[in-house]
Amino acid sequence: NAGVTQTPKFQVLKTGQSMTLQCAQDMNHNSMYWYRQDPGMGLRLIYYSASEGTTDKGEVPNGYNVSRLNKREFSLRLESAAPSQTSVYFCASRLATYTGELFFGEGSRLTVL
Amino acid sequence: KNEVEQSPQNLTAQEGEFITINCSYSVGISALHWLQQHPGGGIVSLFMLSSGKKKHGRLIATINIQEKHSSLHITASHPRDSAVYICAALPVGNTDKLIFGTGTRLQVFP
Repeated sequence: NAGVTQTPKFQVLKTGQSMTLQCAQDMNHNSMYWYRQDPGMGLRLIYYSASEGTTDKGEVPNGYNVSRLNKREFSLRLESAAPSQTSVYFCASRLATYTGELFFGEGSRLTVL
Repeated sequence: KNEVEQSPQNLTAQEGEFITINCSYSVGISALHWLQQHPGGGIVSLFMLSSGKKKHGRLIATINIQEKHSSLHITASHPRDSAVYICAALPVGNTDKLIFGTGTRLQVFP
């Protein structure tokens, strides 16, 4: 099983460019999440999707959009990247809200110049 | 002050030592997660607990709901345990918005 797969692993953007981070899970999980991790701070929730067809804002949603394309895939889009969005991004999933462990992707390191 | 605090921030140990990492939180919670992040960056879930104690191999996690405190213990530590350990609290009534601590960086030397 691949678990949670996210792409790309590394990306360098210029300010104002756009990009999409892709995430897919093969565990038939209902809930999926996007986090960012910055030095000296805990993981912070950007957006989440409790089930296919629903998405909700997390703690730091500004500057991002998401799409729950189907049960497997949950993408994160930066429409106009800013240096403040330089971070490591993690996608995660779990069977359902309230239940079970979280499974994380390997992370995507994004640098915005 | 963060709602989830971990201590210590950094920890070094000799192989074989007993390790304790602490997590305190200020909100009522329905569950607490312990995660491990290796130097390569990947994050793995170790435990999710809402009461008592859980054990997996050399790892033991305990939680005291009344005192709002959880501990992660590693017995007979090994260099491969070197990683960042992160606790995350799930507030009561909130199904998805975990509050993460900033992590404890553990280095175990042979």
